Amino acid sequence: GQQVMQIPQYQHVQEGEDFTTYCNSSTTLSNIQWYKQRPGGHPVFLIQLVKSGEVKKQKRLTFQFGEAKKNSSLHITATQTTDVGTYFCAGPGEYGNKLVFGAGTILRVKS
Amino acid sequence: EAQVTQNPRYLITVTGKKLTVTCSQNMNHEYMSWYRQDPGLGLRQIYYSMNVEVTDKGDVPEGYKVSRKEKRNFPLILESPSPNQTSLYFCASSLSRRSNEQFFGPGTRLTVL
Repeated sequence: GQQVMQIPQYQHVQEGEDFTTYCNSSTTLSNIQWYKQRPGGHPVFLIQLVKSGEVKKQKRLTFQFGEAKKNSSLHITATQTTDVGTYFCAGPGEYGNKLVFGAGTILRVKS
Repeated sequence: EAQVTQNPRYLITVTGKKLTVTCSQNMNHEYMSWYRQDPGLGLRQIYYSMNVEVTDKGDVPEGYKVSRKEKRNFPLILESPSPNQTSLYFCASSLSRRSNEQFFGPGTRLTVL
């Protein structure tokens, strides 16, 4: 079945450093979504990318969808302590009825 | 306030004792689903429902049942819980499967002894 892989599993950064998490799908995706889960919280939708090669920005966050629509990345510029949490990518499963999540990247920020 | 609610938030139970985790949304969403979250495995979909009386298996449905008798409610039933079902469970809803933005409930932490 379809797999969505995410790396790295963990990332510790010093406050002010940049951070990137990568997502790779075993199949072509019609779209990809990104979620953030704060420690002890629930996943919260960040963004959805639909077009091949699409790049979207939300303040310090930059999201990219690969040309082949099989990979995506989330880049955070100059991390802050408020960025701490787990970042998940997710893509539609076969027939678009399911949502398949990556295992997530846990971000820790040292101040 | 638009939200997804789950109850209970925490539950400790014993093997074999049937339990139900309730989920309700007030956004008139068609699509609802249940996920379990385990360390290193991310969120795995258990069951989903595209509308009233329409449910289907996700990736890890064994040991679970669901029902969708009303649009707003989507309970998760564990007929005979086992320790390997100890996990953090999330209910989520979205306007439709195509809109895809999922709104998650606060989570239910279940421990089966």
